[in-house]
Amino acid sequence: QSALTQPASVSGSPGQSITISCTGTSSDVGGYNYVSWYQQHPGKAPKLMIYDVSNRPSGVSNRFSGSKSGNTASLTISGLQAEDEADYYCNSYTSSSTNNYVFGTGTKVTVL
Amino acid sequence: QVQLVESGGGVVQPGRSLRLSCAASGFTFSRYGMHWVRQAPGKGLEWLAVIWYDGSKKYYADSVKGRFTISRDNSRNTLYLQMNSLRAEDTAVHYCARESHISFDYWGQGTLVTVSS
Repeated sequence: QSALTQPASVSGSPGQSITISCTGTSSDVGGYNYVSWYQQHPGKAPKLMIYDVSNRPSGVSNRFSGSKSGNTASLTISGLQAEDEADYYCNSYTSSSTNNYVFGTGTKVTVL
Repeated sequence: QVQLVESGGGVVQPGRSLRLSCAASGFTFSRYGMHWVRQAPGKGLEWLAVIWYDGSKKYYADSVKGRFTISRDNSRNTLYLQMNSLRAEDTAVHYCARESHISFDYWGQGTLVTVSS
């Protein structure tokens, strides 16, 4: 099972919006509405930001939103802030093997 | 508040074994599926294994199948990962995580496993 494909890096200025893509196949991203997104600051554990493609857990800023089209899911961060600078990972349930879950390759978000 | 605290990491020689523990508190442990996820130094996240809330089903990543065993003791609110036949490529921070809505809603702080001679 290969990792989902994410851009290595995305950058933006404070206040701007950025979008991170997560491309898989019909066996994972395209086949299920079980895409989640995680934020990870250096040396810290990941934090759940989006689940079931577009749902935000309690306490997560509404500046974070998720969507999906076909085999590609996306995370959009609007009104970019300095504290958004972190690594972001997508994850999807998969039926392609006995690996039930697959993570994306990760994206480093830089706030300019 | 939900807390997950991993322990058991350390330095181990190739081919040896290690058992990780994850102590859970702040929620009804026996109602949730639990996962192990790892992150090699400077690399991305890799899902390893899941165990259902009652321990009835377990699934593994191909990379650890046959070598690692996930288990739980609901009376002790503790999750385990028995790691056998360890390899250099198993060197990573290992996290336990709670499952909710087919996602990982709470994570521990991680425990580092270093496989080296």
